[in-house]
Amino acid sequence: AQSVTQLGSHVSVSEGALVLLRCNYSSSVPPYLFWYVQYPNQGLQLLLKYTTGATLVKGINGFEAEFKKSETSFHLTKPSAHMSDAAEYFCAVSLLPQAGTALIFGKGTTLSVSS
Amino acid sequence: GAVVSQHPSWVICKSGTSVKIECRSLDFQATTMFWYRQFPKQSLMLMATSNEGSKATYEQGVEKDKFLINHASLTLSTLTVTSAHPEDSSFYICSAQGGEWDNEQFFGPGTRLTVL
Repeated sequence: AQSVTQLGSHVSVSEGALVLLRCNYSSSVPPYLFWYVQYPNQGLQLLLKYTTGATLVKGINGFEAEFKKSETSFHLTKPSAHMSDAAEYFCAVSLLPQAGTALIFGKGTTLSVSS
Repeated sequence: GAVVSQHPSWVICKSGTSVKIECRSLDFQATTMFWYRQFPKQSLMLMATSNEGSKATYEQGVEKDKFLINHASLTLSTLTVTSAHPEDSSFYICSAQGGEWDNEQFFGPGTRLTVL
């Protein structure tokens, strides 16, 4: 069975500081991995995804994540935090990227950015 | 990317009434739609998967007679919460997948249901 663990339910950083949100997964087969962002009372927006190929994935808003199979990790980073990055972030995994395959979400990490 | 809408965005109803939530894919044909439920400060929990023209597949623990899902067309799926009770109050989010977006899910903005 697949599962996702997000370490740290709440991360606080200063504006301009490095953002690191941790995600570890468990999967019996090579997984497809996603990071989503959710702003209050809104749906989810895809930040980036890993399916195959290059293990360093770049997404929107300056975020990137690296798939590390040996560590079963897919941590999300951004070199310099901005106030607008404050939101809820979800890591998700699926067995297959194609239609009909549901996503399994982690519990989420709330990112706070202070000035 | 593709656009998914939900209506209504916010609904308040009395206990015992039924509420219908619509999920529409605006610019693509969604062969599959998913319904999630999210409690405050928690993650999304998959409720059911629906494929156009067939019955929805419900996750374990989700009452199919309480949460009626209809995926009648390639652009519309509905979730009806029947005989709603306060414990059904939650944020309901749909996602859609299909066509040229066969390998990605697009999420609606969510519907906040409050049952009094």
